Amino acid sequence: RKEVEQDPGPFNVPEGATVAFNCTYSNSASQSFFWYRQDCRKEPKLLMSVYSSGNEDGRFTAQLNRASQYISLLIRDSKLSDSATYLCVVSGTGGFKTIFGAGTRLFVKA
Amino acid sequence: DGGITQSPKYLFRKEGQNVTLSCEQNLNHDAMYWYRQDPGQGLRLIYYSQIVNDFQKGDIAEGYSVSREKKESFPLTVTSAQKNPTAFYLCASSIRVRQYNEQFFGPGTRLTVL
Repeated sequence: RKEVEQDPGPFNVPEGATVAFNCTYSNSASQSFFWYRQDCRKEPKLLMSVYSSGNEDGRFTAQLNRASQYISLLIRDSKLSDSATYLCVVSGTGGFKTIFGAGTRLFVKA
Repeated sequence: DGGITQSPKYLFRKEGQNVTLSCEQNLNHDAMYWYRQDPGQGLRLIYYSQIVNDFQKGDIAEGYSVSREKKESFPLTVTSAQKNPTAFYLCASSIRVRQYNEQFFGPGTRLTVL
C-alpha cells in the first residue's frame, strides 16, 4: 500500500461545478497535512494546510479525518483557472518525512 | 522579493557527464530539499539538509551528491552514476525541519540526457 494515495484522475468538470478530491494515508502517526496545486510543467504551490477542525479558504474547503486516515479537498464553483494537478501531502513523525501523493489532475471546461 | 531560485531552467547532458543544478533561497530558511519528479508520479526525495554543513540522504540518493556550505545555497550534482537522470528537479525550503513545516518550491530544472 502506498503511503499516500489519491483519487486517480483526471476529473473533467464544467465551470461552476463542485468537485471533491480524496486522499488516504497509511501512517497513523502523521502530523501535518497539506494540499498543493501544480500547474503543468511548473512547481507545486501550497494551496492550503489541513487542520483537524477543517478549514476553508474562499471556494476551497479542506477536511481531515484522523480516524479514517483521509483528507479531502472540496472546490466549489469551479473556474477554468482551477485546472491543475492537486497534490496531497502528509508529514510524518519526527518533523521531517514528507510524502507527496502522485496527484489528481483536474480539467475545468467552459 | 523573497523566494527560491533554480538554474538553469533547462539542462541537457550527454551520457557520462556530471552536471550541477543550482538552488538559492533568500527566505532565511534552515531546511532545504531536493526532489525529483517523473511524469505521472509524485515527488521523490533525493537529499535534504537541516543546517549548514549537514545533509541527509533521501529515498533515491544514489547517483546524486549535494553540499551545503552556505545557508542560502544547496546545489545538486547529478553524476554519471545516475542511470536514468532525465526528470524534473525541484528544490524546496522550509523554515526548519519540524512539525507543520510547509515547504516552498523553486521553479525547477528540467534535465534531459541526450
